[in-house]
Amino acid sequence: KAGVTQTPRYLIKTRGQQVTLSCSPISGHRSVSWYQQTPGQGLQFLFEYFSETQRNKGNFPGRFSGRQFSNSRSEMNVSTLELGDSALYLCASSFASGRNSGNTIYFGEGSWLTVV
Amino acid sequence: AQTVTQSQPEMSVQEAETVTLSCTYDTSESDYYLFWYKQPPSRQMILVIRQEAYKQQNATENRFSVNFQKAAKSFSLKISDSQLGDAAMYFCAYRYNSGNTPLVFGKGTRLSVIA
Repeated sequence: KAGVTQTPRYLIKTRGQQVTLSCSPISGHRSVSWYQQTPGQGLQFLFEYFSETQRNKGNFPGRFSGRQFSNSRSEMNVSTLELGDSALYLCASSFASGRNSGNTIYFGEGSWLTVV
Repeated sequence: AQTVTQSQPEMSVQEAETVTLSCTYDTSESDYYLFWYKQPPSRQMILVIRQEAYKQQNATENRFSVNFQKAAKSFSLKISDSQLGDAAMYFCAYRYNSGNTPLVFGKGTRLSVIA
């Protein structure tokens, strides 16, 4: 079974631009979440989607947005990029739809974003 | 809010020896899961082991085992017979038992394995 797939793996953007990252979850997984990893802040939760609905959101500005498609694939978008947005963006998927329905979260290899 | 603390930023172990990584957490909930993830230089987060809070028995996965002390809110990871491939960042994480709650991570422990 294929794992969580993220594209692109590496990208460089200029301040003020916008970027879209893509994530394909493990087959059968309907929950997709996104995390940002930086040396200073560590791993921080961005948002989580299930059946095309955002169920949870972390403490990030509105420049960070996401969506999920009917096939469970997800995208996240960052508009008006700032230098501080340089980070590893990790996508994760799980089967979970509610309590006790499988709480293990599996991660992709991440998308490295550098803002210059 | 839940917090996870890893008090050892760096650890080292000799190949074939045993090492224990520490993790404490704070929560007012009683129903939750705890995880250890490994992040090698490739940066992919790999699940090492998982523990359900309602289970008293400590989880074990091959050379990896945990010491889960629920009352003390402690969740340490023991790696036995350490191998060079175990060198990585190790993250302890907490998740409340719900379908949509996120993982809360500690800051991580960098483990070096000395040949």
